[in-house]
This record gives sequence, structure tokens and C-alpha cells, in this order.
Amino acid sequence: EVQLAESGGGLVQPGGSLRLSCAASKFSFSSHWMSWVRQAPGKGLEWVGNIKGDGSETYYGESVKGRFTVSRDNAENSLYLQMNSLRAEDTAIYYCARDLGIFDIWGQGTMVTVSS
Amino acid sequence: IVLTQTPLSLSVTPGQPASISCKSSQSLVSGDGKTYVHWYLQRPGQSPQILIYELSTRFSGVPDRFSGGGSGTDFTLKISRVEAEDVGIYHCMQTLNLPRTFGQGTKVEIK
Repeated sequence: EVQLAESGGGLVQPGGSLRLSCAASKFSFSSHWMSWVRQAPGKGLEWVGNIKGDGSETYYGESVKGRFTVSRDNAENSLYLQMNSLRAEDTAIYYCARDLGIFDIWGQGTMVTVSS
Repeated sequence: IVLTQTPLSLSVTPGQPASISCKSSQSLVSGDGKTYVHWYLQRPGQSPQILIYELSTRFSGVPDRFSGGGSGTDFTLKISRVEAEDVGIYHCMQTLNLPRTFGQGTKVEIK
């Protein structure tokens, strides 16, 4: 079954860093754009950023630009989100998704809580 | 691009229709003639799943009671006869321009 599985979430202090991972299985990972989408508690969805299949292009939402970095390792079928200078408003469930222009496959999400 | 959904919550009797509106701050029609608005359903405790893409095309496996329509800046998701499994939050999304943006979400519950 085609699958995405996030990991790496947890509790971090304001100003701290965290790296999320997303493991892909059963599809040609390197052929596809991939995105990160987040959802703050009780709120709607927010697109965080994406990366091209070969890793040559990345794009970000305004609220995370300069603080977050999307990367990938196609040999490991893995997607990453490096989050620096974290703020309370970054508290959310973070989903990775296959990006065909639409998000057709989503992971189960990993919770990130930014609090002192 | 800002997407505004209405209503934000909806309570529907099973078997009755439901309709959700999504209004965009600018046209979502591309030069290729396609309209880049999509709809997702997020069931309680689950990840979102795609229902409708490019205005009106149902994704594989989506029941035909779901339909998408509209034009330009005004879009609608319709459920012809609501079933219990349709409970959740419905999100519209645009992919005409970066950054991709979502509406606030509409929570649908069963009466």
C-alpha cells in the first residue's frame, strides 16, 4: 500500500529547533513533488512548503520562510522538515503529502508543541 | 490568495442535501482554462483526503453524491444526500498561485 509516515514531533522550547521526517513507501518517491502541511489545534490547514522530486526547487509559505527548510533523500525515500527559531504559533500537527498539484496521499501527522 | 468558506459549521439530517461555499479573493482560472480549486474531507481524527480536484472532477473512489461547481471566484461543494460517514471538516484549497492556500474549513455534523 502506498504510504507516508511522519516522525520526529515533540515538545520544544521557543527559539529551539526540531527536524521532522517522512518515510515514503510503495511509490516512486523521487519522481514526485512533496509538501508539508500543518494544522494548528482547532484551526484550518496551512501549507508550509514543498520540494521538487530531484530536490532542485523548494518553495515556502510566508510564515515559515527563512526559518524552515524542506529537504529530501531519495536514496532513503525520505522527506525532511528542519524547523528553526520555533515560535508558539508553530504548534500544530505536521503532515507530509504527495504533491501532484493536489495532495493525494497524506501521512498520519506528527504533533509539534512549542512551549516553555 | 484568500479563500473564505461559508458556513463554518453545518448540521444536516441524513438523506438531505448540503452545500458549502468557497469564495476566492481572485479568479482561480488559469491560462490553460482549468480552475485550480480543490476540496478535501478530514474525518474526525484522520488526515485530510482529496474529494474533488480542478473544480469538479471527483477523485478515484469518491461517491457521486459529491459534486463541485462554480466559476471564477465563487465555488461550491454539494452533497446530494448526506450520509453518516460524511461527517468531518471540509476544506477548499487553491493551487493557482504559490503559496497554496486553504479556506478556514467547514465542519459538517449529522442532526
